[in-house]
Amino acid sequence: TQLLEQSPQFLSIQEGENLTVYCNSSSVFSSLQWYRQEPGEGPVLLVTVVTGGEVKKLKRLTFQFGDARKDSSLHITAAQPGDTGLYLCAGAKGFKTIFGAGTRLFVKA
Amino acid sequence: DAGVIQSPRHEVTEMGQEVTLRCKPISGHNSLFWYRQTMMRGLELLIYFNNNVPIDDSGMPEDRFSAKMPNASFSTLKIQPSEPRDSAVYFCASSGLAGYEQYFGPGTRLTVT
Repeated sequence: TQLLEQSPQFLSIQEGENLTVYCNSSSVFSSLQWYRQEPGEGPVLLVTVVTGGEVKKLKRLTFQFGDARKDSSLHITAAQPGDTGLYLCAGAKGFKTIFGAGTRLFVKA
Repeated sequence: DAGVIQSPRHEVTEMGQEVTLRCKPISGHNSLFWYRQTMMRGLELLIYFNNNVPIDDSGMPEDRFSAKMPNASFSTLKIQPSEPRDSAVYFCASSGLAGYEQYFGPGTRLTVT
C-alpha cells in the first residue's frame, strides 16, 4: 500500500507565526500536488512539484519536493487567518493519485 | 470559466433508497474522478474515467455503488440501496492533459438516515 503521511494532523497558531507541514512516503512519485480545502468546499490545487529538490513559492507559501521525490514540505510565512483550512498533499504515480489525510490548520487572529 | 459542477449539494435520504449524484466536468477535460471524504478515512478514490471509459473502479466499496459516464460532459454515481454508512461528502474532480492536477467540484453532502 502506498501511503502518504502528513504531519502534524492538526495545528493551531497565532496570526504572524511561521509554520511547516510535512508529507512523507516510502514511495517515489512522478509528481506531488498540494491542495487546500476550506469547510464546505472541494480541495483547490495550490501547486505541483515535479523535479527532485524543486522549490516553488506562492506568495507566503513555499513548497519543496524532496531530492528522492518521496516527500515534500509546505512552509507558510507570517500566517494569516485566511490560511485556515485543510492542507492535503497528493502523490501521482501513473494515473493514480494518492491523497494524504491532511493537516488541519487554524490561524487565530 | 465554469468549474466542476455537482448536484445536488445536499441529499438526505432514508436507508434503502436509491441515490444518484451528478457531475459535469470542466469542458475539455478528459479524466473524471469520483471521491468520497469522511473524517475517519479522509479522501478516497472510488472510480476513475478516462475518455468516458472506466479505468479503475477498485475503490468502489461494493456492488451497491455504480458509476457511469455516458458522454464527456456528464457522469453519475449511484448508490442502490443506500445505507447509513454511506453518509459522507462525495466529490467529483476532472483533469486535462496534466492528469495529476485535479479540479474538484463543491461536493455533495449525503446523509442516509
